Amino acid sequence: GAVVSQHPSWVICKSGTSVKIECRSLDFQATTMFWYRQFPKQSLMLMATSNEGSKATYEQGVEKDKFLINHASLTLSTLTVTSAHPEDSSFYICSAGGRGVWYEQYFGPGTRLTVT
Amino acid sequence: AQSVAQPEDQVNVAEGNPLTVKCTYSVSGNPYLFWYVQYPNRGLQFLLKYITGDNLVKGSYGFEAEFNKSQTSFHLKKPSALVSDSALYFCAVRALNAGNNRKLIWGLGTSLAVNP
Repeated sequence: GAVVSQHPSWVICKSGTSVKIECRSLDFQATTMFWYRQFPKQSLMLMATSNEGSKATYEQGVEKDKFLINHASLTLSTLTVTSAHPEDSSFYICSAGGRGVWYEQYFGPGTRLTVT
Repeated sequence: AQSVAQPEDQVNVAEGNPLTVKCTYSVSGNPYLFWYVQYPNRGLQFLLKYITGDNLVKGSYGFEAEFNKSQTSFHLKKPSALVSDSALYFCAVRALNAGNNRKLIWGLGTSLAVNP
């Protein structure tokens, strides 16, 4: 149990376009979802926390208008990278908590975004 | 400020030998501490946590961690390493974000290589 999926697993897009990444909790209801960014050989950088039905809370330095997060249901959160640029190329990971213990997060496999 | 430090970028051990991956933390209040593992091409997986109680915490795959309040450490250990333990290990501590929601602060990760 406690499976989180992400789609797509990798995507290549042109500079200036937008990309949407989906994160789904497959067998439990995720009241809270987290979006991370991971650079090569570096730690996870929390971008934002989203609670179902409310606006996401962004970490300092993360552009809200560039990284749009929607958590419309207890099983789905989306991250849209708007007007993507090459510096947005990264590995994006979502995690879900909410099975009664928010801190025991369950991670998706990640999405590799390459902006050309 | 709350933080997590993993002083070693890489740890190398021989198969069958004991392993230790170090983690120190700085928090206000009682610490909630976690270890996660990231295998190549797979999502992060929860290993174990310390919330309260016994200082020695047992987790998945034979791993354990010892909470030491005086040394503010939470080192990950395993009595006998396996080649399949080779992965990236992250220590994390609970914190609060700008919206006063709980989140995890992550160490930079330690790459564990177990040699046959």
